[in-house]
Amino acid sequence: DTAVSQTPKYLVTQMGNDKSIKCEQNLGHDTMYWYKQDSKKFLKIMFSYNNKELIINETVPNRFSPKSPDKAHLNLHINSLELGDSAVYFCASSQDAPRDSDTQYFGPGTRLTVL
Amino acid sequence: GNSVTQMEGPVTLSEEAFLTINCTYTATGYPSLFWYVQYPGEGLQLLLKATKADDKGSNKGFEATYRKETTSFHLEKGSVQVSDSAVYFCAHRGSTLGRLYFGRGTQLTVWP
Repeated sequence: DTAVSQTPKYLVTQMGNDKSIKCEQNLGHDTMYWYKQDSKKFLKIMFSYNNKELIINETVPNRFSPKSPDKAHLNLHINSLELGDSAVYFCASSQDAPRDSDTQYFGPGTRLTVL
Repeated sequence: GNSVTQMEGPVTLSEEAFLTINCTYTATGYPSLFWYVQYPGEGLQLLLKATKADDKGSNKGFEATYRKETTSFHLEKGSVQVSDSAVYFCAHRGSTLGRLYFGRGTQLTVWP
């Protein structure tokens, strides 16, 4: 069984379009995250939700809007896509954000290419 | 502030060679430290972790020791295999909100 799953795995789209990436975890975790990995493999957190509440919102354009319908899902919607949005987006989850040692489990990633 | 610095790659080794990937961090307090591995085309997987000073994390022949005095968490393996070829990320977990701070990743290629 896949612990953290993302769809789609690949997404190719034109500039200006709106797209969504979905994430689901079946681990029963309380906290979910979105990370962006650029072409040089650098990973940076974008958002974090704990029990459906936003707890981390890094300096991300407001074209990016996360939505958590329940604690097992954290979707990422992107409006007016730009070339610079091309990257691999990873979803992750952990048991409980305040616990320092909790491991984060990552999904397989969604490679977004904006043309 | 919070940051992680790890040695730049790429690192290319022959099978059975010794591996060291250096990692140092800056953080408030004494955060948990992690090594994640990313195999080609896959997401990140936890390789090992250490939660307090002098702890040694180990897994699949890899080891790293939490050194508070040098703020380091260097990854080592005594004899690498071709299947170890991947990108390795050092990370620490912030003291609040659970965010991970990653290094820039080190690409390891092992030749037979």
